[in-house]
Amino acid sequence: GAVVSQHPSWVICKSGTSVKIECRSLDFQATTMFWYRQFPKQSLMLMATSNEGSKATYEQGVEKDKFLINHASLTLSTLTVTSAHPEDSSFYICSAPGMSAVKTQYFGPGTRLTVL
Amino acid sequence: EDKVVQSPLSLVVHEGDTVTLNCSYEVTNFRSLLWYKQEKKAPTFLFMLTSSGIEKKSGRLSSILDKKELFSILNITATQTGDSAIYLCQIQGAQKLVFGQGTRLTINP
Repeated sequence: GAVVSQHPSWVICKSGTSVKIECRSLDFQATTMFWYRQFPKQSLMLMATSNEGSKATYEQGVEKDKFLINHASLTLSTLTVTSAHPEDSSFYICSAPGMSAVKTQYFGPGTRLTVL
Repeated sequence: EDKVVQSPLSLVVHEGDTVTLNCSYEVTNFRSLLWYKQEKKAPTFLFMLTSSGIEKKSGRLSSILDKKELFSILNITATQTGDSAIYLCQIQGAQKLVFGQGTRLTINP
């Protein structure tokens, strides 16, 4: 089946630094990818829709200057958390819809960000 | 290896029927199990389960967790065509998140 990978799996950084998270569709192309964040014991929260060849669409309340999204190719989207602070510590998860008409979402394994 | 297996993969029933969706898991340091309904782009949160044997209920939907046998079920009674969706099970471990492959539910009128 379709696979979505994320890199890194886990990152620890100092407050004020920027962190880049990659999301790759390994055996299919994705013109759209979705980025979520999830705090422990809470639901997924959609942050933005990443669109290949155009600007990302952000959900209400998500700062686009803080969470930079670049859909560099049909298999890669990146999320950069700029000037990270401890409150940004969370799981960040991406997903990509499959190519079938049914539009199954394939989820990456998540990236755990810890900001000290 | 951590994994989440949902069954069945696909289910087609008639409106008014009751369905039971299954999620079994193996995960290190289990924290919680979540059920979502996936229709369009973002999954819609349904339930979060952390304790065994306590049923969570919302309208026609209910869910329960068995931490001894490592599974959860999602029940939908008196199904409606609007229940047609993919239902996702997610496990939160101490270090990892794992999604099941989803159950595609189709409700025919």
